[in-house]
Amino acid sequence: AQKITQTQPGMFVQEKEAVTLDCTYDTSDQSYGLFWYKQPSSGEMIFLIYQGSYDEQNATEGRYSLNFQKARKSANLVISASQLGDSAMYFCAMRELGPSGGYNKLIFGAGTRLAVHP
Amino acid sequence: NAGVTQTPKFRILKIGQSMTLQCAQDMNHNYMYWYRQDPGMGLKLIYYSVGAGITDKGEVPNGYNVSRSTTEDFPLRLELAAPSQTSVYFCASSYPDKASSSYNSPLHFGNGTRLTVT
Repeated sequence: AQKITQTQPGMFVQEKEAVTLDCTYDTSDQSYGLFWYKQPSSGEMIFLIYQGSYDEQNATEGRYSLNFQKARKSANLVISASQLGDSAMYFCAMRELGPSGGYNKLIFGAGTRLAVHP
Repeated sequence: NAGVTQTPKFRILKIGQSMTLQCAQDMNHNYMYWYRQDPGMGLKLIYYSVGAGITDKGEVPNGYNVSRSTTEDFPLRLELAAPSQTSVYFCASSYPDKASSSYNSPLHFGNGTRLTVT
């Protein structure tokens, strides 16, 4: 069963504008972690931001913030003041319980390709 | 710090050949992972390990084998390579030591191995 859904295969945004990348997830666990990663055209995976299921405040890291709506099971990434260097693939991921009972499996969504236009 | 090191960076295999993708980390992380990324797609978990001597299957384990004899190394073995295994393979690791408090630890990725099977 699919656990992470990113419904936007591609997104366009004008430089200096804000953009929201959608992510919904499916889990029956009470404790879980949600992550966003950036993959530029060079291919490396860059960790951006994390949100824990018990965190009451939305996570923020510089120009990145995470709009966490637990009841709706959504964890959207908001990038403010977009820059040309933000053009990349963005992946949402969730850490869920492994068979040994520990939180050790990180499952990724299919990704959203963001293009920032000057 | 070297972080997570993957070798080789590129490899071309003929159908039916075997090879081992190497992965080493120097951060003393207990958890290590192998993912594959097909063109334009997200990352799929192949195998993961929560410590030396312990491995578990991920989403797409068929055609692969792993071992974890040390904390530092987590090689991925491909037996009887098939064209369907053409992909980019990422190794990753994460902290901490205890499974019960691991859900907020981001993965640290290697730079990937691009494998083509023809």
